[in-house]
Amino acid sequence: SQKIEQNSEALNIQEGKTATLTCNYTNYSPAYLQWYRQDPGRGPVFLLLIRENEKEKRKERLKVTFDTTLKQSLFHITASQPADSATYLCALGFSNDYKLSFGAGTTVTVRA
Amino acid sequence: AAGVIQSPRHLIKEKRETATLKCYPIPRHDTVYWYQQGPGQDPQFLISFYEKMQSDKGSIPDRFSAQQFSDYHSELNMSSLELGDSALYFCASSLSGVDMEQYFGPGTRLTVT
Repeated sequence: SQKIEQNSEALNIQEGKTATLTCNYTNYSPAYLQWYRQDPGRGPVFLLLIRENEKEKRKERLKVTFDTTLKQSLFHITASQPADSATYLCALGFSNDYKLSFGAGTTVTVRA
Repeated sequence: AAGVIQSPRHLIKEKRETATLKCYPIPRHDTVYWYQQGPGQDPQFLISFYEKMQSDKGSIPDRFSAQQFSDYHSELNMSSLELGDSALYFCASSLSGVDMEQYFGPGTRLTVT
């Protein structure tokens, strides 16, 4: 069955630094990957979507890469701010499939 | 901008009771998804609807059923509730298509005692 692994440890970084989160998957390559932000007790918030034929996507201070050979996506938050502190979830989607399969998430804490 | 609306936000039920959760998608979104998130866990896909038809099904117990109505709102019906059903239930909506970004509602926190 498909396994999705995100950074096993929480990430603590200094304000202004770049946070890099990993999302590794096994078996089948997804048609696309989505990244979400979730704050405690709240619904996930969509951040970025990258398709299998795309290498990189950017949105403001966020960047996501997708390497189907390594079966990995990297998510970068540049010039991090304390307001970026949250749990970040990667989610895999497959062709002809409506559902998203989520990873366990990585909790990021940005220290002022 | 309008977001996904879920009601109620909190629900407390006893074992073996029934519960109905409602979801109102973002205007013009015709696809609705339901997810269950237990404490400290990632969201687990339950079921989705596109144009009032079930489009995909995940790990939804037989005790649960759902539907999407003509105005695109959706309801998740849960019967014979068990303690393990206590969780956050999220509804998400999107435009049609399998690779659309999903917009999540604030969730319904269900507690079964």
